[in-house]
Amino acid sequence: DGGITQSPKYLFRKEGQNVTLSCEQNLNHDAMYWYRQDPGQGLRLIYYSQIVNDFQKGDIAEGYSVSREKKESFPLTVTSAQKNPTAFYLCASSIDRLRTGELFFGEGSRLTVL
Amino acid sequence: RKEVEQDPGPFNVPEGATVAFNCTYSNSASQSFFWYRQDCRKEPKLLMSVYSSGNEDGRFTAQLNRASQYISLLIRDSKLSDSATYLCVVNTRNQFYFGTGTSLTVIP
Repeated sequence: DGGITQSPKYLFRKEGQNVTLSCEQNLNHDAMYWYRQDPGQGLRLIYYSQIVNDFQKGDIAEGYSVSREKKESFPLTVTSAQKNPTAFYLCASSIDRLRTGELFFGEGSRLTVL
Repeated sequence: RKEVEQDPGPFNVPEGATVAFNCTYSNSASQSFFWYRQDCRKEPKLLMSVYSSGNEDGRFTAQLNRASQYISLLIRDSKLSDSATYLCVVNTRNQFYFGTGTSLTVIP
């Protein structure tokens, strides 16, 4: 079955540590996205990528980094510079950014900073 | 002004009731519209896309009013399993914008 796989599902981190969240898709989608969701708030865009080896900052990119070396993979690193990293992180993909198709989401990664 | 605004609720309705949610968007250039359902601590899942002509999927009906820039979702004959948060999502110039979600609880 095609879909998006995020790992780990739950992650605990000490302050000052970087952590990388994995996102893999086998939908052959060009566009991939990372969102952050906090309680009572809508999803906020961290980074997105339209094509391999290219990515753009979203609304809240500070303290995060990404790479897009393969079409299927779009990992997110939460760095120690991110001041409030505890959140629910969602990876999503769409067929491409020009055809306004819907977003498909992974199951999410819940990061807690201790 | 936010790109997408929704009444957060909560909406508490008895089983069998009809409930309607509205969502407004600020950009007249918005191109496509969706309703997603999100269960507690889970990822959002597409409920339905919204078309100008309106569309129906079983007990769910979605409508788009471009002149007034709002979309709606109507749920008929509510089931306990409909309890969730419903997210309005708008695509504007190839960027997705999310409402904060409307919480629905269906009560036995």
